[in-house]
Amino acid sequence: AQSVTQLDSHVSVSEGTPVLLRCNYSSSYSPSLFWYVQHPNKGLQLLLKYTSAATLVKGINGFEAEFKKSETSFHLTKPSAHMSDAAEYFCVVSENAGGTSYGKLTFGQGTILTVHP
Amino acid sequence: EAGVAQSPRYKIIEKRQSVAFWCNPISGHATLYWYQQILGQGPKLLIQFQNNGVVDDSQLPKDRFSAERLKGVDSTLKIQPAKLEDSAVYLCASSHWGERDNEQFFGPGTRLTVL
Repeated sequence: AQSVTQLDSHVSVSEGTPVLLRCNYSSSYSPSLFWYVQHPNKGLQLLLKYTSAATLVKGINGFEAEFKKSETSFHLTKPSAHMSDAAEYFCVVSENAGGTSYGKLTFGQGTILTVHP
Repeated sequence: EAGVAQSPRYKIIEKRQSVAFWCNPISGHATLYWYQQILGQGPKLLIQFQNNGVVDDSQLPKDRFSAERLKGVDSTLKIQPAKLEDSAVYLCASSHWGERDNEQFFGPGTRLTVL
């Protein structure tokens, strides 16, 4: 079974300061991990994905995440927040048993990021 | 490349009424998903199709929800009769099958309000 825990329901930062959104996962098999972003009244957009290649993954809009198997974590970071980053962020896990994806995504509860001027 | 299309974008109904949502996936995507996103929660998978066959419907409330994907392209999700707790955003997503990273592409969703 797979699960995801996003450790903060809300994160508030000032524009230009670093962003850290925390995520821990649980998976019986080798997981794929994703971060999706959801802006108000818009669809979910993929930010980045980890699929057992490099543990440090770079995504769009300056975001990156590091897969740490020993800590079962996949935290999302950005060096400098922009006002347009304000949105809800979802950490997502997908199990890959036997090297093929079952396709089932399990979403975390979401973290709302607020960026102050 | 056109994205995943959904309609309607918004729907308001009375409890015990019926409602249907439509989804058109990205061209060539064999796999189609329906998710329910209740306010303040992450999306939850309701049903997954591979072409026109059901792969996973374990979390679909089958006494009131039904879905079909005729001809392996468009899909319809129906609720009959609706309950207050069905108020949510219903998301459709699609992906290629067999890709290990399984990137799913999401539509804008249909926001359902049940009064």
